[in-house]
Amino acid sequence: DTAVSQTPKYLVTQMGNDKSIKCEQNLGHDTMYWYKQDSKKFLKIMFSYNNKELIINETVPNRFSPKSPDKAHLNLHINSLELGDSAVYFCASSPGRQTQYFGPGTRLLVL
Amino acid sequence: SQQGEEDPQALSIQEGENATMNCSYKTSINNLQWYRQNSGRGLVHLILIRSNEREKHSGRLRVTLDTSKKSSSLLITASRAADTASYFCATDATNDMRFGAGTRLTVKP
Repeated sequence: DTAVSQTPKYLVTQMGNDKSIKCEQNLGHDTMYWYKQDSKKFLKIMFSYNNKELIINETVPNRFSPKSPDKAHLNLHINSLELGDSAVYFCASSPGRQTQYFGPGTRLLVL
Repeated sequence: SQQGEEDPQALSIQEGENATMNCSYKTSINNLQWYRQNSGRGLVHLILIRSNEREKHSGRLRVTLDTSKKSSSLLITASRAADTASYFCATDATNDMRFGAGTRLTVKP
């Protein structure tokens, strides 16, 4: 059983489009995260979210917005995609601020 | 800005040798974690060391933490070709979780 799953695995889209990446965890964790990994393999946290608090990395453009329909899901919505948004996006979850369990990643390519 | 910085950026060794990777960070932390990432995959947690701990072991892994120097090391003993991957340290401070750029380890059979 997959603990943290993301869809789609690959996403190729045109500049200016709006897209969403879905994330689901079946671990019962309270906290979920979104990370961006660029071509140089730097991994940067974008958001952390639990049912009480959303913490946003201040460097993340407001075109990016997390949406959580319930505790097990944290989707990432991106408006007006730009070339620089091309990267691998990872979802993760954790039971509080402990070990994080990562999804397989979504490879986004903006043309 | 990156919090953890791994050193070296890349490391190539022969199977059976030991591999040592270092991580330096800038602020006070609650804990430090090491993760592994195989090419094209998500990160997998290896080990967590708390700020009041100095050394921790897990199988062939040994992690040390020196909070006075704000540094940590990951030692993989008796390396195997299957250990080939990128290794990241992640520092957990209050409301702040940051990863380094990783060390790319190649273990040659």
